[in-house]
Amino acid sequence: DAGVTQSPTHLIKTRGQHVTLRCSPISGHKSVSWYQQVLGQGPQFIFQYYEKEERGRGNFPDRFSARQFPNYSSELNVNALLLGDSALYLCASSLKQDSYEQYFGPGTRLTVT
Amino acid sequence: GENVEQHPSTLSVQEGDSAVIKCTYSDSASNYFPWYKQELGKRPQLIIDIRSNVGEKKDQRIAVTLNKTAKHFSLHITETQPEDSAVYFCAASPDRGSTLGRLYFGRGTQLTVWP
Repeated sequence: DAGVTQSPTHLIKTRGQHVTLRCSPISGHKSVSWYQQVLGQGPQFIFQYYEKEERGRGNFPDRFSARQFPNYSSELNVNALLLGDSALYLCASSLKQDSYEQYFGPGTRLTVT
Repeated sequence: GENVEQHPSTLSVQEGDSAVIKCTYSDSASNYFPWYKQELGKRPQLIIDIRSNVGEKKDQRIAVTLNKTAKHFSLHITETQPEDSAVYFCAASPDRGSTLGRLYFGRGTQLTVWP
């Protein structure tokens, strides 16, 4: 099953550090979106990338950035980590920017101490 | 932006009973409404979706209904089984240039099916 993959699975960082999370979309999918899921809540939109360009940004500070590579994989970067950044970070892929169906990866569990 | 409200936050049913989860949304531009099932420690899985040109959609034991006038949609699970136990999320996606392809989620419903 060549679904969405993410790495690493778990990560522990301390406040002020920087983190990079990675995502590989389903083969053939060109759009990647990032979501933050805090415990007990629904996922919250962070970014959408399509054809290597940022197509949407949620209500997150500039400490959050992302990019998409020519092979459509993506990285999410978070600088100056805060305790409140502890969450499950989910990547979702879809065929195109305006494709409705989004398929999620297993997520990266980030803990900031 | 879009605001999605989901109720109830927890739902307990006996195996074989039906379960209904309800969501409301605020943005009249929303035209796609998926439902995700998330088991503990696993990824959200798309289980059913509906688009605004359809009022109801069924897939075996699950169905979704949409009332665009009232801006609410519901998930119905019949003949529930213990393996249906999970957190269920509704979401809405506005068909608007600035938010195209973006999903707005409810806070989730923890469904527990007792044998």
